[in-house]
Order: sequence, then C-alpha cells, then structure tokens
Amino acid sequence: AQTVTQSQPEMSVQEAETVTLSCTYDTSESDYYLFWYKQPPSRQMILVIRQEAYKQQNATENRFSVNFQKAAKSFSLKISDSQLGDAAMYFCAYRSASLAYKYIFGTGTRLKVLA
Amino acid sequence: GAGVSQSPSNKVTEKGKDVELRCDPISGHTALYWYRQSLGQGLEFLIYFQGNSAPDKSGLPSDRFSAERTGGSVSTLTIQRTQQEDSAVYLCASSSRVGGGTGELFFGEGSRLTVL
Repeated sequence: AQTVTQSQPEMSVQEAETVTLSCTYDTSESDYYLFWYKQPPSRQMILVIRQEAYKQQNATENRFSVNFQKAAKSFSLKISDSQLGDAAMYFCAYRSASLAYKYIFGTGTRLKVLA
Repeated sequence: GAGVSQSPSNKVTEKGKDVELRCDPISGHTALYWYRQSLGQGLEFLIYFQGNSAPDKSGLPSDRFSAERTGGSVSTLTIQRTQQEDSAVYLCASSSRVGGGTGELFFGEGSRLTVL
C-alpha cells in the first residue's frame, strides 16, 4: 500500500524568506500524481501545486515550486518570498494512476510565517 | 454552485445521537469524496461516489456510518449512535470525474463534529 510521510509537524519562516517542506512517499507504481494542498484556518483546502510522475521537469506556480526526486520518492515544496497569507497547514498527497479515486494524504506540516 | 458547500459548519451532539452531514458539490462534478480529519492526523478516506453509486465504501469505519448521493449531486453522510471517537472534521470534496482532468479535488470547508 502507498504511504505518504511528512516528517515536519511544524515549520517557521520569516516573512520574505524561503522555506522548504518535506514529503516522502512509498509506492511500487511507476505512474502516479503528487499534490500539495494548503489548508488555512478557514479549513477549506486548496490545491497549491501538482506534479505528474512521468514529467521530469519540476512544477512551478509563481512563488511555489517542487523538487521532485522520483528515484528517492521525495516531493518537497519550496515557498519563496514567504507571505503572511502562506501561514497554513500543508498536506502532501499521492494519487495512483490506476486507482484514480484513491488519494493518500500525509499528516501535514503547519507553517508559521513570522512578521 | 460556485464551490463545494457543506452543512452544518459545526455540530455538537450527545453520545448516542444520530447526525447527518450534508455536502453540495460543484455543479457538474460527477465524483464526490468524503474524508475525516482528526487532530494531528491526515485525511482519512471514507467513501467516494461516481454519480450516485459508491464503488468503494471500504473507508467507512463501522456500520454506524453510511452515505448516499441523490440526483448525482447532494450527498449525505450519516453517523448513527455517535461515539466520542467520531469527533473530527468531516471534509467533502468533488472533482469533474474520477481520474480525469487535472486530478484536482475541490474541497468544502468541512463540518466539525463534536460528540460529548
């Protein structure tokens, strides 16, 4: 069975600085998708960034980018120029390509942004 | 609707009572998912619907939990004879179709259930 591990329960970053959130996963599949979701205090989770496993190029969305290491099964999220609004819980998620409804979520990393 | 809507936002109930949680997905989304989020835990998959059918109910914790979806739209998650361990945030998400599109899930704000 697939698993997703986020080993950092909490992280802090100074406003305007850069922070990296870690995520590792375990799977025997070669085709899958990886996601980072953000959950602010309002509880509504929103998609931050997505990576298809067959793509070698790391995904980027404005200040958010990933470092996808397929062989190491690592999928870290880098937030550049951190803003107060980035403070939230961040969840890493895995989705199988074969069982397309099955999303496996990590336990989350709480990010605090210090002014 | 414009987004996924869940109600109630918060529910406090006494042990042994039944509760119903409602989810109204984004219009046109055929896939609907229920997750449970407990403090310090990730999201636990409960059930998903493709249209009105639920191909995988394996995540439901016990037979006290049931869910239905009617008209390919609104879904209701029912918990009978609630227990204190049922206290959690119940999140609903929808997507355009299972496995299709970008794979993005659109979440509601959740229903926080507290069982006294």
